Amino acid sequence: DAMVIQNPRYQVTQFGKPVTLSCSQTLNHNVMYWYQQKSSQAPKLLFHYYDKDFNNEADTPDNFQSRRPNTSFCFLDIRSPGLGDAAMYLCATSRGGTARGYGYTFGSGTRLTVV
Amino acid sequence: AQKVTQAQTEISVVEKEDVTLDCVYETRDTTYYLFWYKQPPSGELVFLIRRNSFDEQNEISGRYSWNFQKSTSSFNFTITASQVVDSAVYFCARSGGSNYKLTFGKGTLLTVNP
Repeated sequence: DAMVIQNPRYQVTQFGKPVTLSCSQTLNHNVMYWYQQKSSQAPKLLFHYYDKDFNNEADTPDNFQSRRPNTSFCFLDIRSPGLGDAAMYLCATSRGGTARGYGYTFGSGTRLTVV
Repeated sequence: AQKVTQAQTEISVVEKEDVTLDCVYETRDTTYYLFWYKQPPSGELVFLIRRNSFDEQNEISGRYSWNFQKSTSSFNFTITASQVVDSAVYFCARSGGSNYKLTFGKGTLLTVNP
């Protein structure tokens, strides 16, 4: 089945140690999003790629970076994780063009713990 | 920012009760989409429904129904005869216009007690 896959499902990292979360899709969607969801809060958009164009949200900390080497993969890099970065990270995709905004496919998320 | 407001932070009901989750949205767009998602404790977001701004027909899917009213900018979600498995956080969200990013409300935690 076409889907959005996030690995790993759970990630434990040390304070200050760089960590990378990955997302892959088989839907051939133009747009890939990364959301951060802290406990008891709504998902918050960090950034997204429309094809190769990177779009950062104004309030996303510099500590968060992203790469999209090809259509299928997108990575979230946290350069120096702090305790406040512990959260669920959700990857999502959507079509572009006139279909944009029409529907989103979410991965199962990666739950990041910082120790 | 065009906000989505879910005024109910938490709702607790007894099994078999009907429950309505409220959602009010802001929009300056002519074309927009509204969504409901369910998030069980495992954390994944489960898509429930999408409505576009041109379709105000209410929808029923089994025990779930949705009431979309543009006049009040509301998109409410009703669960009939609730079950323990309905316990989850429910998010209302919108996208639209030139902004195809999905904006979520703060969510409503629904607890259905046996």
